[in-house]
Amino acid sequence: GAVVSQHPSRVICKSGTSVKIECRSLDFQATTMFWYRQFPKQSLMLMATSNEGSKATYEQGVEKDKFLINHASLTLSTLTVTSAHPEDSSFYICSASRDAGLNTEAFFGQGTRLTVV
Amino acid sequence: SQQGEEDPQALSIQEGENATMNCSYKTSINNLQWYRQNSGRGLVHLILIRSNEREKHSGRLRVTLDTSKKSSSLLITASRAADTASYFCATGTQGGSEKLVFGKGTKLTVNP
Repeated sequence: GAVVSQHPSRVICKSGTSVKIECRSLDFQATTMFWYRQFPKQSLMLMATSNEGSKATYEQGVEKDKFLINHASLTLSTLTVTSAHPEDSSFYICSASRDAGLNTEAFFGQGTRLTVV
Repeated sequence: SQQGEEDPQALSIQEGENATMNCSYKTSINNLQWYRQNSGRGLVHLILIRSNEREKHSGRLRVTLDTSKKSSSLLITASRAADTASYFCATGTQGGSEKLVFGKGTKLTVNP
């Protein structure tokens, strides 16, 4: 299957700092990527849809100024958590689909465990 | 908002037994997908079933879909300790199946 790589896998940062998470599709181009957030023992919640060359689409309740998304190329999307606070500590996962259209399989990155101290 | 609801939330069985997990959803879908997640790791795609399909097999996995009841089931036969993980259903809704809505998951423990 297709490979989506996410980096870093773990990061610890101090409150008030910003953290950038990268999501790369290694062997295919992805015009659209998705960013999810997962709290311990809970499901994945979609945060935003990252569109190559245009602004991201955020889900209701997600602060776009806090979670900056940039999709500068067909293989890379970044999520920057700005002015991080302890409540931002979570597991962040990206996904991408190789093919456009309906009924396509989504490939997920390995996830990034963010801890804000 | 959550679309899928899996049950049971947790399931513990012995190696060799079959494990059945169910998922219900609320809106119309293009497809339903099942994923597996080992603790603290990313998701692994298991199987996708389209809205016009009723059953699909992949190795020891069997997935059914009943669109009239808005429900799906995942059956893992002859379970192994390595099957221990959380299993999520996710629906690809009309208007864009790449955008997935996940259920809360079933935590499966297979005891050796």
